[in-house]
Amino acid sequence: DQQVKQNSPSLSVQEGRISILNCDYTNSMFDYFLWYKKYPAEGPTFLISISSIKDKNEDGRFTVFLNKSAKHLSLHIVPSQPGDSAVYFCAASSITGANNLFFGTGTRLTVIP
Amino acid sequence: DADVTQTPRNRITKTGKRIMLECSQTKGHDRMYWYRQDPGLGLRLIYYSFDVKDINKGEISDGYSVSRQAQAKFSLSLESAIPNQTALYFCATSDLGGTPNTGELFFGEGSRLTVL
Repeated sequence: DQQVKQNSPSLSVQEGRISILNCDYTNSMFDYFLWYKKYPAEGPTFLISISSIKDKNEDGRFTVFLNKSAKHLSLHIVPSQPGDSAVYFCAASSITGANNLFFGTGTRLTVIP
Repeated sequence: DADVTQTPRNRITKTGKRIMLECSQTKGHDRMYWYRQDPGLGLRLIYYSFDVKDINKGEISDGYSVSRQAQAKFSLSLESAIPNQTALYFCATSDLGGTPNTGELFFGEGSRLTVL
C-alpha cells in the first residue's frame, strides 16, 4: 500500500499565481516530511522540509504546511514562475523506519507564462 | 561534475540477461540507496546501505542484488532481467552525520533501463 499519496497527477497554474500541491500520508509514525522537485532527465532535488513538531516552514517562495491530525501536507509556491514547472514529489520518513524516505507518486506542475 | 554519478544512463537489454547499474559518489556520504521510478508509482526503495558492511532490503528487493564495494560505490544488479524491471533507476546518498533525521537525499541523474 502506498503510504504517501499525491492524488493530483498534474496541475496547471498561471505565472504569478499561487501553486498548491497536496500530499496525504497514512503512517502516523512519520516525523519528517520533504518535498523534492524533478526536472526531465535529472534526478530529484531537495526543495523544502518540515518536522512533525512544526506546522509551517517557509523558504522564499516556498512554504510547506503540515496538518498532523489530517495526515496532510501541502506545498505552496507564491508567486509561481515558469521555471517551477517540474514534477514534485512528497516524501516522508520516521526514526523507527531508519529514516528511509517513502515517496508519493508525484504531481506535474506546469506554470503557464 | 555530478556528485552522484550513475552508469550507464541508458541501457536496453533482453529478458534473462544480467545487468549491472553502477553508482559512485564524491559527497563522502555513508548512506547509499537504490530507487526505481515507475509511472504512477513514484520512487520505491530497492536496497540501501548505511556503510560498506551494511546492506538492507527495501520495499521491492526481489529480483535485485547490490554490492557496496567502497564507501563511494554502490552497484545494483539484475541477475536475470525481466520486462517488468523496465524503469528509471536512481542512486542516492545521504549523510549519516548530517542534520539529524532530515532524510535528505542527493540523487544521481538516473539510469533508464529497458528490458525487452
